[in-house]
Amino acid sequence: EVQLLESGGGLIQPGGSLRLSCAASGFIFSSFAMTWVRQAPGKGLEWVSGTSGSSDNTHYADSVKGRFTISRDNSKSALYLEMNTLRAEDTAVYYCAVATNWGISAPYFDYWGQGTLVTVSS
Amino acid sequence: QSVLTQPPSVSAAPGQKVTISCSGSSSNIGIHYVSWYLQLPGTAPKLLIYDNNKRPSGIPDRFSGSKSGTSATLGITGLQTGDEADYYCGTWDNSVSAVIFGGGTQLTVL
Repeated sequence: EVQLLESGGGLIQPGGSLRLSCAASGFIFSSFAMTWVRQAPGKGLEWVSGTSGSSDNTHYADSVKGRFTISRDNSKSALYLEMNTLRAEDTAVYYCAVATNWGISAPYFDYWGQGTLVTVSS
Repeated sequence: QSVLTQPPSVSAAPGQKVTISCSGSSSNIGIHYVSWYLQLPGTAPKLLIYDNNKRPSGIPDRFSGSKSGTSATLGITGLQTGDEADYYCGTWDNSVSAVIFGGGTQLTVL
């Protein structure tokens, strides 16, 4: 059974940094692209970033480009999101998900974690 | 970032059929597959439809997807109160090299 468990969320001041983690199990992690999607309170889904299984094909949303960095450790079946220069508008639940068809055609996200809440506020 | 256009809300009676539209452009839906997601209140999104019209295992055939030109449609037949949720379409956009989602449609089963 595929399981994705996010962690690392919390309350952080504007301008601060935070690192989210996503622990994966139940599938061959290195064979699958992964992605981060966020959802601000009461708002819709916003894609944040995605990376291929070997980390050689990575993309970011314009809203986080230059501030966020996605990475993965295939030996630990873990996905990360390093978030710097955080703003109030980054407040959201952050989900990690498995991304199928990444780099081939429009990717879709077939397994999701339960999410971790990041609150940026002074 | 580009956003796909969905109606904010739709409603129908139990047992009826409803469709949810997703309008895009030539840089996204016009050339890429569309996926659909369901999000029940307080839970993570769940994949409903991928590659325009394919259903993952476990998704009943009451749910269907189609695409024509730069628009896509999600259809749900035999509506149940348990179908009340937010529904999102998504695809890739070549102009921004990013995944984009629609704003979401809240389904109410009256």
